Amino acid sequence: ETGVTQSPTHLIKTRGQQVTLRCSSQSGHNTVSWYQQALGQGPQFIFQYYREEENGRGNFPPRFSGLQFPNYSSELNVNALELDDSALYLCASSLALAKETQYFGPGTRLLVL
Amino acid sequence: AQSVSQHNHHVILSEAASLELGCNYSYGGTVNLFWYVQYPGQHLQLLLKYFSGDPLVKGIKGFEAEFIKSKFSFNLRKPSVQWSDTAEYFCAVNRLTGGGNKLTFGTGTQLKVEL
Repeated sequence: ETGVTQSPTHLIKTRGQQVTLRCSSQSGHNTVSWYQQALGQGPQFIFQYYREEENGRGNFPPRFSGLQFPNYSSELNVNALELDDSALYLCASSLALAKETQYFGPGTRLLVL
Repeated sequence: AQSVSQHNHHVILSEAASLELGCNYSYGGTVNLFWYVQYPGQHLQLLLKYFSGDPLVKGIKGFEAEFIKSKFSFNLRKPSVQWSDTAEYFCAVNRLTGGGNKLTFGTGTQLKVEL
């Protein structure tokens, strides 16, 4: 069973640029959630995708957007990067909505200069 | 808004000491509760979870947690810690009513176990 994978592992961008992060869900999982973990904080929910549709969004601005593909892999896009976007971005997959455990990938460390 | 509080931000214990990490949440409806652990250099891993039934749940590596509904608490315990338990521990809550499958995390507790 393949776990959740994310790419790239590290990324450095400058303010105002755009970034795309990628996630492959665990085999058989159709739900992907994205979280932002700032230094010294717990992960914060960005949004969730279920069968290619957004299903719930946290308190993040519209410049954070995402996609889920037919194979259930997912992308997180962030436009107009700000310094405060520097964080670890985590992807988690689960089998379905609600009452299911989310399994996390290793994350992408984004640094915005 | 739903929140999760972990009262201990940093804990230092000697090997063989007992551990209890506090977790309280603010939402009054039906919830699923989780403890995740993040070992140094590794990704978040599930330690244990509570969905329903026996409020005392057992997880991996000798950890257990007790759900006390009246106190909105889900404290993590281990009778005797090991040096390898050094990690960051996160409590997380999934609100089942209208919340989808979104996890709300606490700020984490950094545990250091000394030899």
